[in-house]
Amino acid sequence: DIVLTQSPGTLSLSPGEGATLSCRASQSISSNYLAWYQHKPGQAPKLLIYAASTRATGIPDRFSGSGSGTDFTLTISRLEPEDFAVYYCQQYGSSPEWTFGQGTKVEIK
Amino acid sequence: EVQVVESGGGLVQPGGSLKLSCAASGFTFSGSAMHWVRQASGKGLEWVGRIRSKANGYATAYAASVKGRFTISRDDSKNTAYLQMNSLKTEDTAVYYCSRQGLGRGVDYWGQGTLVTVSS
Repeated sequence: DIVLTQSPGTLSLSPGEGATLSCRASQSISSNYLAWYQHKPGQAPKLLIYAASTRATGIPDRFSGSGSGTDFTLTISRLEPEDFAVYYCQQYGSSPEWTFGQGTKVEIK
Repeated sequence: EVQVVESGGGLVQPGGSLKLSCAASGFTFSGSAMHWVRQASGKGLEWVGRIRSKANGYATAYAASVKGRFTISRDDSKNTAYLQMNSLKTEDTAVYYCSRQGLGRGVDYWGQGTLVTVSS
Protein backbone atom coordinates (compact mmCIF):
# COMPACT_ATOMS: atom_id res chain seq x y z
CA ASP A 1 0.00 0.00 0.00
CA ILE A 2 1.09 3.55 -0.68
CA VAL A 3 1.65 5.57 2.50
CA LEU A 4 1.15 9.33 2.30
CA THR A 5 2.99 11.53 4.79
CA GLN A 6 1.85 15.13 5.17
CA SER A 7 3.88 17.93 6.69
CA PRO A 8 3.74 19.95 8.76
CA GLY A 9 1.11 18.59 11.11
CA THR A 10 -0.06 22.11 11.97
CA LEU A 11 0.50 25.48 10.34
CA SER A 12 -0.19 28.60 12.40
CA LEU A 13 -0.69 31.54 10.09
CA SER A 14 -2.49 34.86 9.83
CA PRO A 15 -5.09 35.81 7.22
CA GLY A 16 -3.37 37.18 4.13
CA GLU A 17 -0.30 34.99 4.56
CA GLY A 18 0.60 32.18 2.20
CA ALA A 19 0.57 28.48 3.11
CA THR A 20 2.59 25.59 1.70
CA LEU A 21 1.49 22.05 2.54
CA SER A 22 3.51 18.97 1.60
CA CYS A 23 2.47 15.42 0.81
CA ARG A 24 5.08 12.73 0.24
CA ALA A 25 4.26 9.24 -1.03
CA SER A 26 6.11 6.04 -0.17
CA GLN A 27 6.17 5.14 -3.86
CA SER A 28 5.41 6.87 -7.12
CA ILE A 29 1.73 7.64 -7.68
CA SER A 30 0.42 6.38 -10.97
CA SER A 31 -0.71 9.08 -13.40
CA ASN A 32 -0.14 11.65 -10.63
CA TYR A 33 -3.57 10.71 -9.31
CA LEU A 34 -3.22 12.81 -6.17
CA ALA A 35 -6.08 14.88 -4.77
CA TRP A 36 -6.32 17.50 -2.03
CA TYR A 37 -9.39 17.96 0.18
CA GLN A 38 -10.41 20.64 2.65
CA HIS A 39 -12.33 19.49 5.73
CA LYS A 40 -14.05 21.65 8.32
CA PRO A 41 -15.71 20.32 11.51
CA GLY A 42 -19.26 19.13 10.96
CA GLN A 43 -19.02 19.46 7.19
CA ALA A 44 -18.41 17.14 4.28
CA PRO A 45 -14.87 17.18 2.91
CA LYS A 46 -14.47 19.30 -0.22
CA LEU A 47 -12.40 18.37 -3.26
CA LEU A 48 -9.94 21.18 -4.03
CA ILE A 49 -7.37 19.73 -6.43
CA TYR A 50 -7.22 16.53 -8.48
CA ALA A 51 -4.60 14.98 -10.73
CA ALA A 52 -2.03 16.85 -8.63
CA SER A 53 -2.64 20.27 -10.17
CA THR A 54 -6.18 20.67 -11.56
CA ARG A 55 -8.55 22.81 -9.52
CA ALA A 56 -11.99 21.35 -8.97
CA THR A 57 -15.05 23.26 -10.12
CA GLY A 58 -15.60 26.47 -8.20
CA ILE A 59 -12.32 26.42 -6.30
CA PRO A 60 -10.67 29.87 -6.11
CA ASP A 61 -7.36 30.34 -7.91
CA ARG A 62 -5.55 31.11 -4.64
CA PHE A 63 -5.44 27.31 -4.28
CA SER A 64 -2.87 25.57 -6.45
CA GLY A 65 -1.36 22.11 -6.56
CA SER A 66 1.96 20.94 -7.92
CA GLY A 67 4.28 17.99 -7.91
CA SER A 68 4.68 14.58 -9.46
CA GLY A 69 5.91 11.10 -8.65
CA THR A 70 6.24 11.05 -4.87
CA ASP A 71 6.32 14.72 -3.87
CA PHE A 72 3.31 17.00 -4.00
CA THR A 73 2.45 20.46 -2.70
CA LEU A 74 -0.73 22.40 -2.02
CA THR A 75 -0.21 26.16 -1.98
CA ILE A 76 -2.69 28.72 -0.70
CA SER A 77 -1.46 32.08 -1.91
CA ARG A 78 -3.31 34.35 0.52
CA LEU A 79 -5.26 32.85 3.35
CA GLU A 80 -8.86 33.96 3.69
CA PRO A 81 -10.71 33.45 7.01
CA GLU A 82 -12.68 30.56 5.49
CA ASP A 83 -9.49 28.69 4.55
CA PHE A 84 -8.63 27.70 8.12
CA ALA A 85 -9.35 23.99 8.14
CA VAL A 86 -7.71 20.58 7.89
CA TYR A 87 -6.28 19.58 4.52
CA TYR A 88 -5.79 16.00 3.34
CA CYS A 89 -4.00 14.57 0.37
CA GLN A 90 -5.26 11.33 -1.13
CA GLN A 91 -3.87 9.00 -3.76
CA TYR A 92 -6.24 7.26 -6.14
CA GLY A 93 -3.77 5.91 -8.65
CA SER A 94 -3.04 2.69 -6.81
CA SER A 95 -5.85 0.21 -7.23
CA PRO A 96 -7.70 -1.16 -5.50
CA GLU A 97 -6.92 0.58 -2.21
CA TRP A 98 -6.92 4.33 -1.91
CA THR A 99 -5.16 6.11 0.94
CA PHE A 100 -5.24 9.47 2.69
CA GLY A 101 -2.48 11.39 4.35
CA GLN A 102 -2.86 12.11 8.06
CA GLY A 103 -3.82 15.74 7.43
CA THR A 104 -2.39 19.22 7.97
CA LYS A 105 -4.29 21.63 10.18
CA VAL A 106 -4.11 25.27 9.11
CA GLU A 107 -4.98 27.35 12.15
CA ILE A 108 -5.24 31.05 12.87
CA LYS A 109 -2.15 32.44 14.52
CA GLU B 1 -27.95 19.59 -7.99
CA VAL B 2 -25.90 16.66 -6.78
CA GLN B 3 -26.96 15.22 -3.44
CA VAL B 4 -25.50 12.36 -1.42
CA VAL B 5 -27.30 11.51 1.81
CA GLU B 6 -26.22 8.86 4.29
CA SER B 7 -28.52 7.26 6.83
CA GLY B 8 -28.66 4.32 9.21
CA GLY B 9 -26.07 5.30 11.77
CA GLY B 10 -26.58 4.75 15.47
CA LEU B 11 -25.45 2.94 18.59
CA VAL B 12 -24.55 -0.73 18.35
CA GLN B 13 -22.86 -3.14 20.71
CA PRO B 14 -19.47 -4.68 19.97
CA GLY B 15 -19.93 -7.74 17.80
CA GLY B 16 -23.15 -6.37 16.37
CA SER B 17 -24.17 -5.36 12.86
CA LEU B 18 -25.41 -2.22 11.18
CA LYS B 19 -26.30 -1.33 7.60
CA LEU B 20 -25.76 2.18 6.26
CA SER B 21 -27.52 3.57 3.21
CA CYS B 22 -26.38 6.24 0.78
CA ALA B 23 -29.05 7.83 -1.40
CA ALA B 24 -27.77 9.79 -4.38
CA SER B 25 -29.34 12.14 -6.89
CA GLY B 26 -28.36 14.72 -9.49
CA PHE B 27 -25.94 12.52 -11.42
CA THR B 28 -25.91 9.21 -13.28
CA PHE B 29 -25.61 6.96 -10.26
CA SER B 30 -25.48 3.73 -12.25
CA GLY B 31 -22.35 4.88 -14.07
CA SER B 32 -20.44 5.98 -10.98
CA ALA B 33 -18.22 4.16 -8.52
CA MET B 34 -19.20 4.91 -4.93
CA HIS B 35 -16.87 5.04 -1.96
CA TRP B 36 -17.18 4.96 1.82
CA VAL B 37 -14.76 6.96 3.96
CA ARG B 38 -14.79 7.28 7.75
CA GLN B 39 -13.40 9.59 10.40
CA ALA B 40 -13.03 8.64 14.02
CA SER B 41 -13.22 11.45 16.54
CA GLY B 42 -9.97 13.41 16.58
CA LYS B 43 -8.52 11.33 13.75
CA GLY B 44 -8.03 11.77 10.03
CA LEU B 45 -9.97 10.45 7.07
CA GLU B 46 -9.75 6.72 6.40
CA TRP B 47 -10.80 5.12 3.13
CA VAL B 48 -13.12 2.18 3.86
CA GLY B 49 -13.95 0.76 0.45
CA ARG B 50 -15.69 1.17 -2.89
CA ILE B 51 -18.01 -0.45 -5.38
CA ARG B 52 -17.67 0.08 -9.10
CA SER B 53 -20.44 0.36 -11.66
CA LYS B 54 -22.24 -2.47 -13.45
CA ALA B 55 -20.04 -1.86 -16.49
CA ASN B 56 -17.07 -2.64 -14.24
CA GLY B 57 -18.65 -5.74 -12.79
CA TYR B 58 -19.76 -4.13 -9.50
CA ALA B 59 -16.19 -4.80 -8.31
CA THR B 60 -15.58 -4.06 -4.65
CA ALA B 61 -12.43 -3.30 -2.69
CA TYR B 62 -11.87 -2.75 1.02
CA ALA B 63 -9.32 -1.39 3.44
CA ALA B 64 -7.44 -4.08 5.34
CA SER B 65 -8.99 -2.88 8.61
CA VAL B 66 -12.51 -3.84 7.48
CA LYS B 67 -11.96 -6.62 4.95
CA GLY B 68 -14.03 -9.68 5.76
CA ARG B 69 -16.35 -7.73 8.08
CA PHE B 70 -17.79 -4.98 5.86
CA THR B 71 -19.63 -5.42 2.55
CA ILE B 72 -20.50 -2.70 0.06
CA SER B 73 -23.42 -3.17 -2.33
CA ARG B 74 -25.65 -1.04 -4.50
CA ASP B 75 -29.12 -0.92 -6.00
CA ASP B 76 -28.99 1.15 -9.17
CA SER B 77 -32.79 1.09 -9.46
CA LYS B 78 -32.93 3.03 -6.19
CA ASN B 79 -29.80 5.15 -6.74
CA THR B 80 -28.58 3.84 -3.41
CA ALA B 81 -25.35 2.32 -2.12
CA TYR B 82 -25.04 0.36 1.11
CA LEU B 83 -22.41 -0.47 3.69
CA GLN B 84 -23.15 -3.64 5.67
CA MET B 85 -21.00 -3.71 8.79
CA ASN B 86 -20.68 -6.95 10.76
CA SER B 87 -18.59 -8.00 13.76
CA LEU B 88 -18.30 -4.36 14.76
CA LYS B 89 -15.49 -3.27 17.05
CA THR B 90 -15.17 -0.19 19.26
CA GLU B 91 -12.52 1.10 16.86
CA ASP B 92 -15.16 1.23 14.10
CA THR B 93 -16.78 4.16 15.90
CA ALA B 94 -16.67 7.02 13.42
CA VAL B 95 -18.59 9.30 11.11
CA TYR B 96 -19.11 7.42 7.86
CA TYR B 97 -19.19 9.37 4.61
CA CYS B 98 -20.46 8.19 1.27
CA SER B 99 -18.96 9.76 -1.81
CA ARG B 100 -18.96 9.60 -5.59
CA GLN B 101 -15.86 8.87 -7.60
CA GLY B 102 -15.35 11.39 -10.36
CA LEU B 103 -13.64 10.47 -13.62
CA GLY B 104 -9.93 10.78 -12.88
CA ARG B 105 -10.75 13.11 -9.99
CA GLY B 106 -10.78 11.14 -6.79
CA VAL B 107 -14.08 11.60 -4.96
CA ASP B 108 -15.85 14.78 -5.96
CA TYR B 109 -19.16 14.69 -4.09
CA TRP B 110 -19.62 13.78 -0.45
CA GLY B 111 -22.50 13.35 1.91
CA GLN B 112 -22.66 14.97 5.31
CA GLY B 113 -21.92 11.70 7.06
CA THR B 114 -23.68 9.47 9.58
CA LEU B 115 -22.34 8.64 13.03
CA VAL B 116 -21.78 5.04 14.06
CA THR B 117 -21.00 4.39 17.71
CA VAL B 118 -19.88 0.93 18.80
CA SER B 119 -20.14 0.67 22.56
CA SER B 120 -21.53 -1.53 25.27
